[in-house]
Amino acid sequence: EAQVTQNPRYLITVTGKKLTVTCSQNMNHEYMSWYRQDPGLGLRQIYYSMNVEVTDKGDVPEGYKVSRKEKRNFPLILESPSPNQTSLYFCASSLGLNNSPLHFGNGTRLTVT
Amino acid sequence: AQSVTQPDIHITVSEGASLELRCNYSYGATPYLFWYVQSPGQGLQLLLKYFSGDTLVQGIKGFEAEFKRSQSSFNLRKPSVHWSDAAEYFCAVVPGVNRDDKIIFGKGTRLHILP
Repeated sequence: EAQVTQNPRYLITVTGKKLTVTCSQNMNHEYMSWYRQDPGLGLRQIYYSMNVEVTDKGDVPEGYKVSRKEKRNFPLILESPSPNQTSLYFCASSLGLNNSPLHFGNGTRLTVT
Repeated sequence: AQSVTQPDIHITVSEGASLELRCNYSYGATPYLFWYVQSPGQGLQLLLKYFSGDTLVQGIKGFEAEFKRSQSSFNLRKPSVHWSDAAEYFCAVVPGVNRDDKIIFGKGTRLHILP
């Protein structure tokens, strides 16, 4: 089944403790992206990647890192999480063409205390 | 600035009633247009898309949307809603054909269904 898999689904952590949210897709998609979703703010893009070893900042990259060493994986790294990074995070992928729809994972709900 | 506007944050309709969710965008050219649905606890799922051709497009779950260039709108419709349609709906736009034209999402409309 074609899918985008994020792990974990839920994560509670403390300020400053490094964490990684994994994202994997099995559709051989070139394009991958991370979003955060907050009430009243909609979806905001954190980082994206057009292909292996190519990553770019989105609209809200501060406090996040990503890597794209393999086509299928695009982990999101929070080196020193802070409470304002408490949010619902989504990974998405697509073929990379402008008319290609995004395929989303089921989300990771992160709480930083 | 380029933007996508969904003017209704919340909409409540009775089961079996018709539905229209509004979406307006602020681009001059014909963009690529999408509607996504987010059910509770789920990621976004594509409902339908419009690129060119017939301005009325059909999607999954009985939804349709109509592109109106003169109004810069891409409203989503369904003739008769079901309780399972309760979800959040996002309109999204890719402004053009350039590789750096990124998808822009509206802030979403949450649909509530009355039994």
